Amino acid sequence: EVQLVQSGAEVKKPGESLTISCTASAYTFTDYWITWVRQMPGKGLEWMGRIDPRDSYTNYSPSFQGHVTFSVDKSINTASLHWSSLKASDTGMYYCARVVSGSADAPFDSWGQGTLVTVSS
Amino acid sequence: QSLLTQPPSASGTPGQRVTISCSGTKSNIGSNAVSWYQQVPGAAPKLLLSGNIQRPSGVPDRISGSKSGTSASLAITGLQSDDEADYFCAAWDDSLSGVVFGGGTKLTVL
Repeated sequence: EVQLVQSGAEVKKPGESLTISCTASAYTFTDYWITWVRQMPGKGLEWMGRIDPRDSYTNYSPSFQGHVTFSVDKSINTASLHWSSLKASDTGMYYCARVVSGSADAPFDSWGQGTLVTVSS
Repeated sequence: QSLLTQPPSASGTPGQRVTISCSGTKSNIGSNAVSWYQQVPGAAPKLLLSGNIQRPSGVPDRISGSKSGTSASLAITGLQSDDEADYFCAAWDDSLSGVVFGGGTKLTVL
């Protein structure tokens, strides 16, 4: 069974850095892009961008460009989402999901369980 | 403000048919396939429909989708209590070079 398992909940202060992870299993990691989606408390889904595990090519949403960084480690089938300086407005649930490579409008067919990030002074 | 427009809420009684609309533009729904996701409270979203009308394995055939021009719809027939969830539409947007989501529709089973 395809699984994406995300790292646990985090509580951080504004200005701190953070990396959360998403580990894939039961499929060929490089056959699917990994996409990241934010859900702020009580709100809808926002697409943050995606990364191609084959070559680490990234495509960021303009809303998140420059504030977050995506990376992958193919050796451990893991994708990561990194902030160098968190803001209170980064508080939310973050999901990773896989997307079939090569098709811009491919669906997100498997999702991680989510990582809750709380940023508060 | 979401680029895809959904009604914030919908409701029906058990056994009824409910539809949820998703309105976009030429650069998203008008040019690309629509996906639908179901999110039960406290859980991650789950793919319900892809390519406008295709159901992944395990999704019952009482769930269906359609698309016409710059709008799409999700229909649920034989409404059940466990259909109570938030539903989101999504599509690639050629102008933004990214995925856009609808704001979500909260479905209540009365």
